[in-house]
Amino acid sequence: ILNVEQSPQSLHVQEGDSTNFTCSFPSSNFYALHWYRWETAKSPEALFVMTLNGDEKKKGRISATLNTKEGYSYLYIKGSQPEDSATYLCALNYGGSQGNLIFGKGTKLSVKP
Amino acid sequence: ETGVTQSPTHLIKTRGQQVTLRCSSQSGHNTVSWYQQALGQGPQFIFQYYREEENGRGNFPPRFSGLQFPNYSSELNVNALELDDSALYLCASSNPGLVAREQYFGPGTRLTVT
Repeated sequence: ILNVEQSPQSLHVQEGDSTNFTCSFPSSNFYALHWYRWETAKSPEALFVMTLNGDEKKKGRISATLNTKEGYSYLYIKGSQPEDSATYLCALNYGGSQGNLIFGKGTKLSVKP
Repeated sequence: ETGVTQSPTHLIKTRGQQVTLRCSSQSGHNTVSWYQQALGQGPQFIFQYYREEENGRGNFPPRFSGLQFPNYSSELNVNALELDDSALYLCASSNPGLVAREQYFGPGTRLTVT
C-alpha cells in the first residue's frame, strides 16, 4: 500500500514567520509529486509539480524541494501572511494509464495577524 | 479558480437512497477523475474517465459508478447510500497530453447521508 505522509498535521504561526512542512513517501518510482493549496470552500489550487531529484520550484514567497532518494519534499513559506492560511496537500502520481493521485492528509496552516 | 465546476454544492440524502453528482471539466481537458475526501483524510481516488470510458478505479465498491459525456463532463452515481459515504466529493480534469498530468480540481460537493 502506497502511503503519503505529511507533517505536521497543523501549524499555527504569526504573520511574518517563515515556515516549512514535509511530505514523505516510500518510493522514488513515481511520475510526479504535486503540491496543492486548498482554502476552505474553494478548489484545491495547484502550486507545484515536481519530477526530478533535486527539483526546486518557487512561486513568490512559496518554494518547494524534492529529494527522491530519501523520499521527501519540503514546502517553504517565507514571511507568512494571513492569506497563506490554508491546507497544503501533497500528492504523488505513480504514473500508469490512469495517473491518479495518492494524497497525504494535508498540513493545515493558520497565520495570525 | 480552475474552470472546473461541480453541482450541487451540498446535499443531504437518506441511507439507501441514490445520488448523482455532476462535474464540468476545464476547456480542452478530456479526462475526469473523481475523489472522495472523508473527514480527517486526504482525497481518495474513486475512478477516472477518459474519452467516455472508465480508465482506472480505486478501492471503491461497484455501487459507485460514473459516466462521461461527449463534452467530457462527468457524473458520479452512488447507489444504496451508506452513512460512511458522507464526504466531500471532488472532481478533477486533466489532459494526458500535458506534462506531468496536472489535475485541476473543482470545489467539491459535500454529501451528508443520514
